[in-house]
Amino acid sequence: DAGVIQSPRHEVTEMGQEVTLRCKPISGHNSLFWYRQTMMRGLELLIYFNNNVPIDDSGMPEDRFSAKMPNASFSTLKIQPSEPRDSAVYFCAISVWGSDTEAFFGQGTRLTVV
Amino acid sequence: AQTVTQSQPEMSVQEAETVTLSCTYDTSESDYYLFWYKQPPSRQMILVIRQEAYKQQNATENRFSVNFQKAAKSFSLKISDSQLGDAAMYFCAYRIANGGSQGNLIFGKGTKLSVKP
Repeated sequence: DAGVIQSPRHEVTEMGQEVTLRCKPISGHNSLFWYRQTMMRGLELLIYFNNNVPIDDSGMPEDRFSAKMPNASFSTLKIQPSEPRDSAVYFCAISVWGSDTEAFFGQGTRLTVV
Repeated sequence: AQTVTQSQPEMSVQEAETVTLSCTYDTSESDYYLFWYKQPPSRQMILVIRQEAYKQQNATENRFSVNFQKAAKSFSLKISDSQLGDAAMYFCAYRIANGGSQGNLIFGKGTKLSVKP
């Protein structure tokens, strides 16, 4: 079974602080995605990686956002500096090789910037 | 650009009854996949059902079935014998099928389903 672990589950930070969200895919995959969910905009794709290489980051809202995938088992999404409008739920999802018609999601990180 | 539209922000159904959630999409592609995801209060995104565009037969998964109308670009979800555990947000999603395992899903805004006992 494919699985995704995200940490932390909840994050509250002050405006201007750096925030790092983490994603650890448990089993084999070849693509990893970061989504942001808000009431107003729904689910938005921020960036995705294929074989650890960033393919499309056109959804990243600003230069304050950056993402890395140093290896197949770990990815980070960093916001620096954070702003209140960044408050949202951030999801990491993976697509599994040989089962490429769906994506498996982590449980998300709820970020609140005050 | 591909878009997915869910025109019903909220729906309600009586337990044991049937409910249909609507989804339309816009694409110029001929080969793609469509999905329905469920998001309960736990936030976990759970795949409910999927449909390959090249298949004419509507997909079914137990109490869940779809009505896929390719020409109309419509992909509705029918939930039969609704249960309290079906209460959740439901998202319709689209993915182009052009090589590799990219799995780049485009989502609708969601429909919040309530189930009344």
